[in-house]
Amino acid sequence: QKEVEQNSGPLSVPEGAIASLNCTYSDRGSQSFFWYRQYSGKSPELIMFIYSNGDKEDGRFTAQLNKASQYVSLLIRDSQPSDSATYLCAVNGRTGNQFYFGTGTSLTVIP
Amino acid sequence: GAVVSQHPSRVICKSGTSVKIECRSLDFQATTMFWYRQFPKKSLMLMATSNEGSKATYEQGVEKDKFLINHASLTLSTLTVTSAHPEDSSFYICSARDLELANTGELFFGEGSRLTVL
Repeated sequence: QKEVEQNSGPLSVPEGAIASLNCTYSDRGSQSFFWYRQYSGKSPELIMFIYSNGDKEDGRFTAQLNKASQYVSLLIRDSQPSDSATYLCAVNGRTGNQFYFGTGTSLTVIP
Repeated sequence: GAVVSQHPSRVICKSGTSVKIECRSLDFQATTMFWYRQFPKKSLMLMATSNEGSKATYEQGVEKDKFLINHASLTLSTLTVTSAHPEDSSFYICSARDLELANTGELFFGEGSRLTVL
Protein backbone atom coordinates (compact mmCIF):
# COMPACT_ATOMS: atom_id res chain seq x y z
CA GLN A 1 0.00 0.00 0.00
CA LYS A 2 1.34 3.37 -0.98
CA GLU A 3 2.06 5.78 1.83
CA VAL A 4 0.82 8.87 0.02
CA GLU A 5 -1.50 8.95 -2.96
CA GLN A 6 -2.38 11.68 -5.38
CA ASN A 7 -4.32 11.87 -8.61
CA SER A 8 -1.57 12.08 -11.21
CA GLY A 9 -3.68 14.21 -13.53
CA PRO A 10 -3.02 15.99 -15.74
CA LEU A 11 -5.26 18.68 -14.37
CA SER A 12 -6.02 21.63 -16.62
CA VAL A 13 -7.69 24.83 -15.50
CA PRO A 14 -8.18 28.16 -17.24
CA GLU A 15 -6.28 31.19 -16.05
CA GLY A 16 -8.03 32.84 -13.12
CA ALA A 17 -9.84 29.69 -12.03
CA ILE A 18 -9.39 27.70 -8.83
CA ALA A 19 -7.21 24.60 -9.03
CA SER A 20 -7.93 21.88 -6.48
CA LEU A 21 -5.31 19.24 -5.69
CA ASN A 22 -5.96 16.28 -3.43
CA CYS A 23 -3.87 13.87 -1.42
CA THR A 24 -4.56 10.93 0.89
CA TYR A 25 -2.16 9.19 3.24
CA SER A 26 -2.17 5.80 4.91
CA ASP A 27 -0.36 6.35 8.21
CA ARG A 28 -2.82 7.72 10.73
CA GLY A 29 0.08 8.70 12.97
CA SER A 30 1.49 11.14 10.43
CA GLN A 31 2.24 14.47 11.98
CA SER A 32 2.80 17.12 9.36
CA PHE A 33 1.92 17.63 5.76
CA PHE A 34 3.52 19.58 2.98
CA TRP A 35 2.82 20.75 -0.51
CA TYR A 36 5.78 21.18 -2.85
CA ARG A 37 5.87 22.47 -6.38
CA GLN A 38 8.29 21.00 -8.88
CA TYR A 39 9.10 22.35 -12.30
CA SER A 40 10.46 19.94 -14.87
CA GLY A 41 14.10 19.08 -14.23
CA LYS A 42 14.20 21.07 -11.01
CA SER A 43 14.08 20.24 -7.33
CA PRO A 44 10.87 20.65 -5.35
CA GLU A 45 10.16 23.94 -3.60
CA LEU A 46 7.92 24.29 -0.58
CA ILE A 47 4.58 26.00 -0.99
CA MET A 48 2.92 25.32 2.35
CA PHE A 49 2.88 23.06 5.37
CA ILE A 50 0.05 22.26 7.71
CA TYR A 51 -0.21 20.37 11.02
CA SER A 52 -3.66 21.02 12.38
CA ASN A 53 -7.07 20.12 11.08
CA GLY A 54 -8.74 22.86 9.13
CA ASP A 55 -7.60 25.43 6.63
CA LYS A 56 -4.39 27.38 6.33
CA GLU A 57 -4.16 30.25 3.89
CA ASP A 58 -1.11 31.89 2.37
CA GLY A 59 -1.78 34.32 -0.43
CA ARG A 60 -3.47 32.50 -3.29
CA PHE A 61 -2.85 29.12 -1.68
CA THR A 62 -5.02 27.34 0.88
CA ALA A 63 -4.10 24.01 2.43
CA GLN A 64 -6.83 21.91 4.01
CA LEU A 65 -6.25 19.03 6.40
CA ASN A 66 -8.68 16.43 7.66
CA LYS A 67 -6.88 13.91 9.83
CA ALA A 68 -9.98 11.82 10.45
CA SER A 69 -10.30 11.23 6.72
CA GLN A 70 -6.52 11.17 6.21
CA TYR A 71 -6.90 13.76 3.54
CA VAL A 72 -5.04 16.93 2.66
CA SER A 73 -5.72 19.29 -0.21
CA LEU A 74 -4.32 22.40 -1.83
CA LEU A 75 -6.41 25.09 -3.45
CA ILE A 76 -4.85 27.61 -5.79
CA ARG A 77 -7.01 30.66 -6.39
CA ASP A 78 -6.68 32.94 -9.41
CA SER A 79 -4.50 30.37 -11.14
CA GLN A 80 -1.71 31.74 -13.31
CA PRO A 81 0.18 30.11 -16.18
CA SER A 82 3.28 30.26 -13.97
CA ASP A 83 1.52 27.88 -11.58
CA SER A 84 1.82 25.16 -14.21
CA ALA A 85 3.99 22.50 -12.58
CA THR A 86 3.81 19.21 -10.76
CA TYR A 87 2.51 19.49 -7.20
CA LEU A 88 3.81 17.00 -4.69
CA CYS A 89 2.13 16.14 -1.44
CA ALA A 90 4.55 15.08 1.28
CA VAL A 91 3.87 13.53 4.65
CA ASN A 92 6.13 13.47 7.66
CA GLY A 93 5.77 9.95 8.99
CA ARG A 94 4.96 8.65 12.43
CA THR A 95 8.56 8.72 13.61
CA GLY A 96 8.93 12.31 12.51
CA ASN A 97 12.07 11.45 10.64
CA GLN A 98 10.77 10.12 7.37
CA PHE A 99 9.23 12.05 4.54
CA TYR A 100 7.15 10.33 1.91
CA PHE A 101 5.99 11.93 -1.29
CA GLY A 102 2.95 11.27 -3.39
CA THR A 103 3.24 10.64 -7.10
CA GLY A 104 2.47 14.27 -7.86
CA THR A 105 -0.30 15.98 -9.80
CA SER A 106 0.57 17.72 -13.03
CA LEU A 107 -1.22 21.06 -13.30
CA THR A 108 -1.54 23.12 -16.46
CA VAL A 109 -3.03 26.59 -16.32
CA ILE A 110 -4.29 27.61 -19.73
CA PRO A 111 -3.92 31.31 -20.61
CA GLY B 1 15.78 30.34 3.31
CA ALA B 2 18.25 27.60 3.99
CA VAL B 3 20.42 26.51 1.09
CA VAL B 4 21.38 22.98 0.17
CA SER B 5 24.04 22.53 -2.46
CA GLN B 6 24.33 19.31 -4.40
CA HIS B 7 27.21 18.39 -6.67
CA PRO B 8 27.65 17.36 -9.43
CA SER B 9 24.47 18.45 -11.16
CA ARG B 10 25.13 16.12 -14.07
CA VAL B 11 27.39 13.14 -14.40
CA ILE B 12 27.90 10.58 -17.11
CA CYS B 13 29.86 7.47 -16.32
CA LYS B 14 30.65 4.09 -17.74
CA SER B 15 28.99 0.95 -16.51
CA GLY B 16 30.90 -0.61 -13.64
CA THR B 17 32.36 2.61 -12.28
CA SER B 18 31.39 4.37 -9.05
CA VAL B 19 30.00 7.85 -8.73
CA LYS B 20 29.91 10.06 -5.64
CA ILE B 21 27.30 12.77 -5.13
CA GLU B 22 27.75 15.39 -2.44
CA CYS B 23 25.06 17.21 -0.52
CA ARG B 24 25.97 20.20 1.62
CA SER B 25 23.90 22.43 3.85
CA LEU B 26 25.52 25.82 3.32
CA ASP B 27 24.11 27.99 6.04
CA PHE B 28 22.62 25.64 8.57
CA GLN B 29 23.32 22.41 10.38
CA ALA B 30 21.52 19.28 9.38
CA THR B 31 21.69 16.21 11.58
CA THR B 32 19.43 14.45 9.13
CA MET B 33 19.56 14.41 5.37
CA PHE B 34 17.38 12.45 3.00
CA TRP B 35 18.26 10.93 -0.33
CA TYR B 36 15.62 10.55 -2.99
CA ARG B 37 15.56 9.10 -6.46
CA GLN B 38 13.21 10.29 -9.14
CA PHE B 39 12.42 8.69 -12.48
CA PRO B 40 10.99 10.78 -15.33
CA LYS B 41 7.48 11.97 -14.58
CA LYS B 42 7.46 10.03 -11.35
CA SER B 43 7.52 11.13 -7.76
CA LEU B 44 10.42 11.18 -5.36
CA MET B 45 11.24 7.80 -3.92
CA LEU B 46 12.89 7.93 -0.52
CA MET B 47 16.04 5.84 -0.65
CA ALA B 48 17.54 6.43 2.76
CA THR B 49 17.72 8.71 5.74
CA SER B 50 21.22 9.84 6.56
CA ASN B 51 22.08 10.65 10.15
CA GLU B 52 25.23 12.49 11.14
CA GLY B 53 27.69 10.21 12.85
CA SER B 54 25.70 7.03 12.42
CA LYS B 55 24.66 4.54 9.78
CA ALA B 56 22.03 5.49 7.28
CA THR B 57 18.57 4.00 7.46
CA TYR B 58 17.64 2.49 4.11
CA GLU B 59 14.16 2.02 2.76
CA GLN B 60 12.98 -1.43 1.89
CA GLY B 61 14.28 -2.56 -1.46
CA VAL B 62 17.24 -0.18 -1.56
CA GLU B 63 20.58 -1.98 -1.63
CA LYS B 64 22.89 -0.73 1.08
CA ASP B 65 26.01 -1.99 -0.65
CA LYS B 66 24.94 -0.42 -3.90
CA PHE B 67 24.13 3.01 -2.57
CA LEU B 68 26.67 3.94 0.07
CA ILE B 69 25.74 6.88 2.24
CA ASN B 70 28.10 8.72 4.51
CA HIS B 71 27.14 11.62 6.77
CA ALA B 72 30.43 12.63 8.27
CA SER B 73 29.53 16.11 9.47
CA LEU B 74 26.54 18.28 10.22
CA THR B 75 26.81 19.88 6.80
CA LEU B 76 27.81 17.10 4.45
CA SER B 77 26.29 13.84 3.29
CA THR B 78 27.50 11.80 0.33
CA LEU B 79 25.84 9.16 -1.80
CA THR B 80 28.10 6.81 -3.73
CA VAL B 81 26.56 4.68 -6.46
CA THR B 82 28.88 1.70 -6.67
CA SER B 83 29.42 -0.41 -9.77
CA ALA B 84 26.89 1.65 -11.64
CA HIS B 85 24.65 0.07 -14.25
CA PRO B 86 22.43 1.72 -16.86
CA GLU B 87 19.36 1.04 -14.70
CA ASP B 88 20.89 3.28 -12.03
CA SER B 89 20.48 6.23 -14.37
CA SER B 90 18.13 8.61 -12.62
CA PHE B 91 17.73 11.98 -10.95
CA TYR B 92 19.05 11.87 -7.39
CA ILE B 93 17.98 14.58 -4.96
CA CYS B 94 19.11 15.21 -1.43
CA SER B 95 17.27 17.20 1.18
CA ALA B 96 17.91 18.35 4.70
CA ARG B 97 16.13 19.76 7.68
CA ASP B 98 17.34 22.82 9.50
CA LEU B 99 17.66 22.04 13.20
CA GLU B 100 16.43 25.49 14.10
CA LEU B 101 13.33 24.99 11.97
CA ALA B 102 12.72 21.51 13.27
CA ASN B 103 9.26 22.45 14.45
CA THR B 104 8.15 23.16 10.87
CA GLY B 105 9.57 19.95 9.51
CA GLU B 106 10.34 21.74 6.26
CA LEU B 107 12.77 20.05 3.92
CA PHE B 108 15.26 22.02 1.87
CA PHE B 109 16.28 20.39 -1.36
CA GLY B 110 19.50 20.31 -3.28
CA GLU B 111 19.46 21.04 -7.00
CA GLY B 112 19.55 17.37 -7.87
CA SER B 113 22.10 15.25 -9.72
CA ARG B 114 21.27 13.63 -13.02
CA LEU B 115 23.21 10.42 -13.40
CA THR B 116 23.55 8.73 -16.78
CA VAL B 117 25.29 5.38 -16.89
CA LEU B 118 26.40 4.28 -20.34
